[in-house]
Amino acid sequence: QVQLVESGGGVVQPGRSLRLSCAASGFTFSSYTMHWVRQAPDKGLEWVAVISYDGSTKYYADSVKGRFTISRDSSKNTLYLEMNSLKAEDTAVYYCARRGESGSYRWLDPWGQGTLVTVSS
Amino acid sequence: QSALTQPASVSGSPGQSITISCTGTSSDVGDYNSVSWYQQHPGKAPKLMIYDVSNRPSGVSNRFSGSKSDNTASLTISGLQAEDEADYYCNSYTSSSTYVFGTGTKVTVL
Repeated sequence: QVQLVESGGGVVQPGRSLRLSCAASGFTFSSYTMHWVRQAPDKGLEWVAVISYDGSTKYYADSVKGRFTISRDSSKNTLYLEMNSLKAEDTAVYYCARRGESGSYRWLDPWGQGTLVTVSS
Repeated sequence: QSALTQPASVSGSPGQSITISCTGTSSDVGDYNSVSWYQQHPGKAPKLMIYDVSNRPSGVSNRFSGSKSDNTASLTISGLQAEDEADYYCNSYTSSSTYVFGTGTKVTVL
């Protein structure tokens, strides 16, 4: 079955860097656009970034542009989020999600279980 | 990239119908039929409920339906059940090739 498993979260000091991973299985990873979405504690969902199936096209939310980089390695069926210059407001559960399979394809399903990033000194 | 506007909370009794609105602009909701809805129970990952405004994925109850008029999309839950108590978020594709979520709505079953 389709599965997405995030890892790499933890506690990091402000200004430092962290890389999240999302291991994909159960589908042809190299054929799908992938997303990162985050959720701060007791807050709503915030879309973070998207990468095309071949990695050639990337878009970011204004709140992370210039600090975060989305990438993928299809040989490892893995999606990444490199987070630099981290701020306290980046504290959140980070989810990876696959793009939809029909229609506009502009929807997210399935989602991983999330990994918690805490930015604190 | 301002969040789409949703009511903070909506409530209803079992068996009733409720509707959650999601208001955006002509650069997102109003310009694309790419609105999706997600249900999230506490401590869980979001679950897709509606895609492309009004399409229901397999496995999702037909009590859930979606629509759109101009810059506002809506999710209707009919025959409200206790298990529907959760947070609901809309999402739209935007003219900047990015995506934006709604502010979220807490549904309470009285």
